[in-house]
This record gives sequence, C-alpha cells and structure tokens, in this order.
Amino acid sequence: GNSVTQMEGPVTLSEEAFLTINCTYTATGYPSLFWYVQYPGEGLQLLLKATKADDKGSNKGFEATYRKETTSFHLEKGSVQVSDSAVYFCALSAPNSGNTPLVFGKGTRLSVIA
Amino acid sequence: SQTIHQWPATLVQPVGSPLSLECTVEGTSNPNLYWYRQAAGRGLQLLFYSVGIGQISSEVPQNLSASRPQDRQFILSSKKLLLSDSGFYLCAWILRGSNVLTFGAGSRLTVL
Repeated sequence: GNSVTQMEGPVTLSEEAFLTINCTYTATGYPSLFWYVQYPGEGLQLLLKATKADDKGSNKGFEATYRKETTSFHLEKGSVQVSDSAVYFCALSAPNSGNTPLVFGKGTRLSVIA
Repeated sequence: SQTIHQWPATLVQPVGSPLSLECTVEGTSNPNLYWYRQAAGRGLQLLFYSVGIGQISSEVPQNLSASRPQDRQFILSSKKLLLSDSGFYLCAWILRGSNVLTFGAGSRLTVL
C-alpha cells in the first residue's frame, strides 16, 4: 500500500543552521507529494507541494524536490529561524485514491533555539 | 475565499460524558469533509470522512461517531467519553478534483 516515512524527531537546531528533514514514500503510480507544517496549538497548513518527478516545491525559504529515482521528497531550508519551530508532516496523494485523501508521515518536530 | 471553522477550541470533559465537536466550511459547496485525531506525540489518524450529506465512512472502530446534517457542516460525537479519547481533533476539507487538504485550527479535548 501507499506509505510515507519521515525521519524521527525531535530535531534541534541553532538559528541560521541548515535544515534537512528526510521523507521517503512508497506508492503505486505517480503520487503528488506535500509538506505540511503545524505550529504549536494550531492545525496543519500546506507548506509546499510537487505534482510530478523533478518538480521543486518552495515556500517561505523551504524547498523540496520530487525525486522519483530515490522515492524521496526531503525538506530543506538554508537558514532556519526560531519562528520555524513546528511539527512538519510529509504526505502523498496517490492517483486513483478515491475519497481517501492524503497519506501522512508521523511528523518531525523541529525546535530552533536562538 | 474558503474558510473552515472548528469549535470549541478547547474542551475538558469527565469520563462518561457526551461530546460534540462542530466543523463548518464557508465559501465552497459539496466538499469532502474529514475528521482526524492527533494523540500526544503521534501522527494523524483519519477517523471519518464524508462525501455528501448523510454519507459517513468510518476508518477505525471506536467510541466516536460522525454526522453531516448539512452540506458544509460536519459533527464529531460521542455518547460516553473514554480517557483514550483525549487528543487534538482536526477537521479538514477538500474540493472534488483537488488533492489539497485544508485543515481547521483544531479542537483540543482532555478527558479526565
């Protein structure tokens, strides 16, 4: 079946450090891939997405590239800020998934310290 | 523009009491609606989804139920809460033909 695996957290970084959160997926066909962010006490917000191989999604300084050869969609940011502290979820939407929406990873908590 | 509202934002209930969480969507018609639960330190668990009024699909057997009395209203209920029902409940919607899921702000339930 379809699944998403993302690195275990928590991840703790100093401000201005480089961030990578790994995400790999298993899916039939060609899924769309997403990163969602959840700030403390809030719901999830779409951060970025990519719909086909080699697409790069980007938003708020974050980037992720859809790599079909490695079935990966790693999230990166060159210089994190304290305000980036949140839980990050990788997700996929498989073609022909019907009314069942995204398949989510378990989330990775990021803490950025000043 | 489309918006999604959930209430109450926070709820503390004793074991055995009933529950009603409400979700409404504005600015769209005929969306698919979803209830997720996020237990402490865990990922998202899909509980229910609905593709139309009165149509409810359950993903996991549990102490909860859902109803969709109107096109843009989705309600999560329980007759008798258990301690294990504590968690953060998220409503979400998606437009037909789209694959972007939009979430509400969530309702935090603590069962004592």
